[in-house]
Formats: sequence, C-alpha cells, structure tokens
Amino acid sequence: DTAVSQTPKYLVTQMGNDKSIKCEQNLGHDTMYWYKQDSKKFLKIMFSYNNKELIINETVPNRFSPKSPDKAHLNLHINSLELGDSAVYFCASSQDLRSGGGETQYFGPGTRLLVL
Amino acid sequence: DAKTTQPPSMDCAEGRAANLPCNHSTISGNEYVYWYRQIHSQGPQYIIHGLKNNETNEMASLIITEDRKSSTLILPHATLRDTAVYYCIVRGKNTGTASKLTFGTGTRLQVTL
Repeated sequence: DTAVSQTPKYLVTQMGNDKSIKCEQNLGHDTMYWYKQDSKKFLKIMFSYNNKELIINETVPNRFSPKSPDKAHLNLHINSLELGDSAVYFCASSQDLRSGGGETQYFGPGTRLLVL
Repeated sequence: DAKTTQPPSMDCAEGRAANLPCNHSTISGNEYVYWYRQIHSQGPQYIIHGLKNNETNEMASLIITEDRKSSTLILPHATLRDTAVYYCIVRGKNTGTASKLTFGTGTRLQVTL
C-alpha cells in the first residue's frame, strides 16, 4: 500500500548516459514534485506538476526533463548525466491547494543516483 | 520565503520529551510553520503544522509563540526510532496549486538509551 513509490531505488550509471526515474502516487493527489538531496544533505525542490501541467521550475539544467503522463505519475528524465548529478532524488505529492487541500507533502523513498 | 534557524544537533534520552526549537522571526501573517523529519535513508515525513494556535497530533505537539517568531516541536516520549533530522519550514511561495517547501539544514536529534 505504498503511497508514493519510486523506481529504481538505486541507479548507477556512466557519465554521458541518459536515464529516467519513475514516480507514482496512489493518494489521489493532483500535485507532484521532484526534489534533489545532494551529498551535503541539502534538500531542494526541482519541479512541481499539477494535473500534468508544470507549476514550479527551479533553476535546473535543461538536461532534466520531467514528464507527467497523468496526474498519478511524474517521471524524471536526465540527459547526458554528469558527476554532479549524483544525489538522492525524492518524489512527493500533495493535494491541489485550490480544492482546499492542505499543503502537506508526502514523499517517496528516494532514488539514489550515482554517476561514475 | 521566511528563513528558519534551528540548532544543528540535540540529544535526548529515550522516554524523555524532546523539545526542538525553531526561530522564524521574519514569518508573515499568513505563513504556516511546518515540521518534517527525515530518518536516515528515508524520504522526509510530515509531522505537524500550525498557524497561530498550538497543535497536537498522534506524533507531536507544536507550540507557537504569541508573536509567531518562534516555535517548538515536542515529542512527548522520544524513542530510538525518533532519531532523525527534523526540519522546521515556513511555507514558501503558494502558487495556488503547488507549495514550494524550502528545507534548511534542520536539527539532528539523537535519542539515546
């Protein structure tokens, strides 16, 4: 009964490769997010989608492209991976604030990406 | 975004109350205070949030000062499983559909026997 799930849990790849991380939530939420936690443990938001529409886009390199096929899924595709992309990537979801939902975000278990 | 200041680390004996302080002196009138925690190797977990009044749920209590410039998260009977990094967050920009949480460095709470 995992609320927010991510695959894969671990991802080891070579520099220059292209990879995708998948996220799914079964909470019925309209809004989903991607966060990055670097080696110093700083957790920063990257993107947010609401009903497949991009809402928040922080200053993230355009090698990172989120894709939302439906409101329950938000995938993250990364082109031309670099050493500095090594981090833990967390997906999260929340209710649409306009529907009166709270701003509580529910996080997935994370995907540990290591670029060699 | 209102900034928050938390002590980098705290210790607490198991069974005792853990009181985690947070300063948010630049908070504005309509901003909530949220608390999340991150247990090692897991995703952040929501604990509690509040605006003005003190709040309590099954996990913790949140005490917000009258001027709202600081708050305290209270874990009434800390257990070893409560060892984690605790983040105090003042809600960031509200776009109407998504909320941008800005995580600081948090307080690393170590619960000991």
